[in-house]
Parts: sequence; structure tokens; C-alpha cells
Amino acid sequence: GESVGLHLPTLSVQEGDNSIINCAYSNSASDYFIWYKQESGKGPQFIIDIRSNMDKRQGQRVTVLLNKTVKHLSLQIAATQPGDSAVYFCAENRRGGADGLTFGKGTHLIIQP
Amino acid sequence: GAVVSQHPSWVICKSGTSVKIECRSLDFQATTMFWYRQFPKQSLMLMATSNEGSKATYEQGVEKDKFLINHASLTLSTLTVTSAHPEDSSFYICSARPTTRGTQYFGPGTRLLVL
Repeated sequence: GESVGLHLPTLSVQEGDNSIINCAYSNSASDYFIWYKQESGKGPQFIIDIRSNMDKRQGQRVTVLLNKTVKHLSLQIAATQPGDSAVYFCAENRRGGADGLTFGKGTHLIIQP
Repeated sequence: GAVVSQHPSWVICKSGTSVKIECRSLDFQATTMFWYRQFPKQSLMLMATSNEGSKATYEQGVEKDKFLINHASLTLSTLTVTSAHPEDSSFYICSARPTTRGTQYFGPGTRLLVL
């Protein structure tokens, strides 16, 4: 069936560097996308979202890019810190967020000191 | 704002018993809550959509008679795992949404271990 997937299961970056986490989605009906951060043993924490009528959205140290042509989503984290180490999930939704979420497989981001 | 709690945070039970998990939205009302399940080193999988005042909607492959959902109020949804078996051991996470669309906020999760 249709799903959301990630290119890399593990990403290791040096503290202070920028990181980019990628996500591919296949459901063309998706119109709302969210990035979550999950630390071990905890629930997902909202990072940033974007609707399909936008191609870029910025938050504090984070930027989400959406390319609907190739159905690709990315999360950029600037100046990574040790606290950024976690698993990051992209999630997609239809009807502007009215439905339950379909999650990607997750990328484990490791920040090296 | 947008805080979601779950209780208990972890539970160990014997095979064949039932376990109830509560999900509460603490500072907002939620007409819709969602229940997810996550196995170790895997992603979250949507189990069901909990609607206040009506029956829950279950995803394909999720047994509604095994996973009973009750959305008793605008701030509380419960998930009861009936006749639990070891394969039901998992991390159960709920989410709630302050508006009819948009961002879902997640609870801290409940770890269930069935012996």
C-alpha cells in the first residue's frame, strides 16, 4: 500500500554542523506533513509542519522543505546540539490533518561531540 | 499548551488479563484522539481513531473486540487491551488534536509487557 519512507536509517553528524533528514512519500492525496522527534522511551514530539500549498517553512533552527513534484520532504537542523540526538519521523496526513497519521520508518540522528 | 498525558506509563500483566490505558488532553478539548502502537525499533502504526460520543474507527487488521476504545469525554479516551497475550506487548501511544484539523500532539506512551 501507499506509505511514507525514509532514505537513511542512521545519520551521524558533528556537533555544530547542519543535518538534513530526507523522506519520500507516495500518497499523492497527502496535503499535510509533519516532522516529529522521538527520544528513547518517550512519545513523539512535534517539531514542524507544512501544508501542501507551501514548499518551505522555517522554525527555530529547523527548516522543512516540500517538493511535491518528486514527493519528497526534508528536515534541516542547523547548528546541531547533543540534545538533537533522537529518532526523527516524517508523517503524512490527508484532508489537512483530519485523519490519523502515516509515519515513515524513522532516521536515527546521532550527534558526535 | 497542548499537553497530552497517559496512564499508566508502564504495565506488566499476565496473559489472559485485560489492561486499560487512559489518554487525557490536559489543557484543551479533543473531539478526536488517535491510538498508535510501536514495536521496538519500528515506526508508529495507527490503530484506531477515537471519536467523542461515537464508535471508534479501526484500521485494517486491528481487532475491534480486542482493542476496546471509549471516548467518554472531550478530554479522555481509553484503550482496553482485552485478553492480552505476549504478542500484544508493545508501546502504546495516543495523540490528540486541539482543532478539527492540523497538528496532533502525542502522549508519553504506555509500555505494556504481557507475561
